[in-house]
Amino acid sequence: SQQGEEDPQALSIQEGENATMNCSYKTSINNLQWYRQNSGRGLVHLILIRSNEREKHSGRLRVTLDTSKKSSSLLITASRAADTASYFCATAPQAGTALIFGKGTTLSVSS
Amino acid sequence: EPEVTQTPSHQVTQMGQEVILRCVPISNHLYFYWYRQILGQKVEFLVSFYNNEISEKSEIFDDQFSVERPDGSNFTLKIRSTKLEDSAMYFCASTGLSNQPQHFGDGTRLSIL
Repeated sequence: SQQGEEDPQALSIQEGENATMNCSYKTSINNLQWYRQNSGRGLVHLILIRSNEREKHSGRLRVTLDTSKKSSSLLITASRAADTASYFCATAPQAGTALIFGKGTTLSVSS
Repeated sequence: EPEVTQTPSHQVTQMGQEVILRCVPISNHLYFYWYRQILGQKVEFLVSFYNNEISEKSEIFDDQFSVERPDGSNFTLKIRSTKLEDSAMYFCASTGLSNQPQHFGDGTRLSIL
């Protein structure tokens, strides 16, 4: 079965620095989604990138997708303490199907 | 902005008891999902629901589990006879179109004693 696997598992940076998280998966996908989860809370959708797209931006977030390498990256620029959370990638083999989540990257941003 | 709402936020139940977890998806959404996250582990898919029937389910979703959309707004997950290993955070999600993001609720923390 396919999986999204993120690395690193944990990342600690200072405010103002950029944070890059990577995700790899095993089989073909329709789309890949990135989510944020604050401790004990629900999953907040960040960006969806479709298999025919290579890059998407949303505010300080930039997501890339390389289907030939079956990998994606999430870049958070000019990080803030409020960005401290766990970040998950999730893949959908087809539109509307179950999301397959990775184990996540825990990001800590200190001021 | 419309939200997926889940109740209760925390449910404590004795092993062997039945529980019903409730979700109100975003009103014009058509696809509904339940996921769970055991403490410290990844989010796992349970079941998806479309057009008033189950469209996909995982091997976790055995005969102890059922889902229902009893009216136009609620979407429920029932666990018939809970086990200790059912303790987890349960998330409901919905989406309007199949190729759109899934929007998640804040979850119900289920604790089985």
